[in-house]
Amino acid sequence: QVQLVEAGGGVVQPGTSLRLSCAASGFDFSSSAMHWVRQAPGKGLEWVAVISYDASDKYLADSVKGRFTISRDDSKNTLYLQMNNLRPDDTAVYFCARENYSGSGSRGPPKYFDHWGQGTLVTVSS
Amino acid sequence: DTPLTQSPPSLSASVGDTVNMTCRASQSVNIYLNWYQQKPGKSPKVLISATSILQSGVPSRFSGSGLGTDFTLTISGLQPEDFATYYCQQTYSLSSFGPGTKVEIK
Repeated sequence: QVQLVEAGGGVVQPGTSLRLSCAASGFDFSSSAMHWVRQAPGKGLEWVAVISYDASDKYLADSVKGRFTISRDDSKNTLYLQMNNLRPDDTAVYFCARENYSGSGSRGPPKYFDHWGQGTLVTVSS
Repeated sequence: DTPLTQSPPSLSASVGDTVNMTCRASQSVNIYLNWYQQKPGKSPKVLISATSILQSGVPSRFSGSGLGTDFTLTISGLQPEDFATYYCQQTYSLSSFGPGTKVEIK
């Protein structure tokens, strides 16, 4: 079955870096676009980043642009999020999610996130 | 960036009630609107994609409707396991989530 397992979270000081990973199994990872979504404690979901199946397209939310990088290693079935210059407001549980799509629409098949990891907590505090 | 708003932020309902919650987009997202359920300490679970497509394994008491900027998630006959927070998400332009509607027990 599809499984996504995040790792790499922890407590770090402001201005430092952290790399999260998301190990995928149970599906053809190299054919799937993947996303990172975060959730600050007691808050809602915030989309963070997406990488296309072939890594040719990468997009980041404005709140992390210039500080975070998304990448993937299909040989390891692993998704990454490199987070630099971390700030206290980056404190959150970070989820990876698989993109799926079905049906048709004016902008291509509608996309949704059909599988999510359990999340890894990143705490940025001095 | 396509901000989403959800209303109400929270609602209290009883088992068996029919509840409606809405999601409004700042600009048209066509049908590219999904709904997720999240319980405390758990990952979100997709309920409905593309406005109204019920995902496999999701009970038929959940339904979605709408088009453009205004969308509704309806739960017909609320069950104890439905008490959770519900988020809408647009995937018309990258992605963004609404702030959520928390469904609580009356």
